Amino acid sequence: TAGITQAPTSQILAAGRSMTLRCTQDMRHNAMYWYRQDLGLGLRLIHYSNTAGTTGKGEVPDGYSVSRANTDDFPLTLASAVPSQTSVYFCASSEGRGGHNEQFFGPGTRLTVL
Amino acid sequence: GQNIDQPTEMTATEGAIVQINCTYQTSGFNGLFWYQQHAGEAPTFLSYNVLDGLEEKGRFSSFLSRSKGYSYLLLKELQMKDSASYLCAVRPNDYKLSFGAGTTVTVRA
Repeated sequence: TAGITQAPTSQILAAGRSMTLRCTQDMRHNAMYWYRQDLGLGLRLIHYSNTAGTTGKGEVPDGYSVSRANTDDFPLTLASAVPSQTSVYFCASSEGRGGHNEQFFGPGTRLTVL
Repeated sequence: GQNIDQPTEMTATEGAIVQINCTYQTSGFNGLFWYQQHAGEAPTFLSYNVLDGLEEKGRFSSFLSRSKGYSYLLLKELQMKDSASYLCAVRPNDYKLSFGAGTTVTVRA
């Protein structure tokens, strides 16, 4: 079982360009999340989706958008990249029901905006 | 907002015990998680506490006191492979997590 996959693994992007980070899970999890991880700041939630067709804003949503057309895919789009968006981006998913509901993380995308 | 604090770095010797503390002030509480993250890799789940007390899982244990807003992760019989960052995360409500900045543990021979 693949779990969660992310693409690309890494990317260098010119400021002002747009980019979509892809995330796919095969666990049939209801909930999915996008985080960015920066040194000294830990993981910060960008956007989330509790179920297909719904999305919500996290702690740092500005400059990012997401969509959740189906259960498996949760792409993150940067419409016009800025250098402050240089970071490691992690996608995660969870069952989205009561109890444990631990989050499973993808391998990450390392993005550099120049 | 949510406030989750943990030490930045800790160093310990192989075979020893290390305790990583985490204090939190959040708008709600619906569980506390510990994750392990090796350099350049994704976080992986270690433990979950929702009731007060100690949860033991092999060499790792996690403790929670909800009244004190406090948790710790205890790593026993340290091995070199335990060198990693350990992330404390609180679930204030529904399914979202708020993470601390992480504690980098270095195990020395």
